[in-house]
Amino acid sequence: SQQGEEDPQALSIQEGENATMNCSYKTSINNLQWYRQNSGRGLVHLILIRSNEREKHSGRLRVTLDTSKKSSSLLITASRAADTASYFCATDDGGADGLTFGKGTHLIIQP
Amino acid sequence: KAGVTQTPRYLIKTRGQQVTLSCSPISGHRSVSWYQQTPGQGLQFLFEYFSETQRNKGNFPGRFSGRQFSNSRSEMNVSTLELGDSALYLCASSLKGLVRPYNEQFFGPGTRLTVL
Repeated sequence: SQQGEEDPQALSIQEGENATMNCSYKTSINNLQWYRQNSGRGLVHLILIRSNEREKHSGRLRVTLDTSKKSSSLLITASRAADTASYFCATDDGGADGLTFGKGTHLIIQP
Repeated sequence: KAGVTQTPRYLIKTRGQQVTLSCSPISGHRSVSWYQQTPGQGLQFLFEYFSETQRNKGNFPGRFSGRQFSNSRSEMNVSTLELGDSALYLCASSLKGLVRPYNEQFFGPGTRLTVL
């Protein structure tokens, strides 16, 4: 079953704008990770945030985690056409079912 | 370092057949996980191997099996294929050790399986 649920399902913005996508999950977690997938190819790891962290940055990416609300957000600043992809959050809840992925947000950057 | 490689990249089979997919992890990675991705169900965890032992298994029928070799390469097998097995099968390796939590996972390009 899906643990994470991304919101929105799809997002279309102009190049240069910021993109924000959200992820909600149901159970306690050890960490939450964000991945990017280009058009049905393999996933690329973007960032990992541990349950005791609240915010993390990596280049143009900013991730926040609110364990009290069981939610996370991914902000991509100054978007580029190459950012067009699907973005997934994945949680590790310490159980025996590997990483649990949401259904993803499909991001389209209009040139 | 070479990335995770998966072979074959594309595969077409008919119902009732069986299939074996192969995954070579990044050198030094001992943990290999397999995921199935479909438009309807999204990404779902199949199983994870560490040091030739299956450590975790997702909620899939026994037709789905796997193994890991001493060099950390892994194979997954699906027997008696069904139409619903059509999917992108992704393999991921990580530096995860004997103790959780998961570290970042490095994914291969996937094998696109079509069952006719």
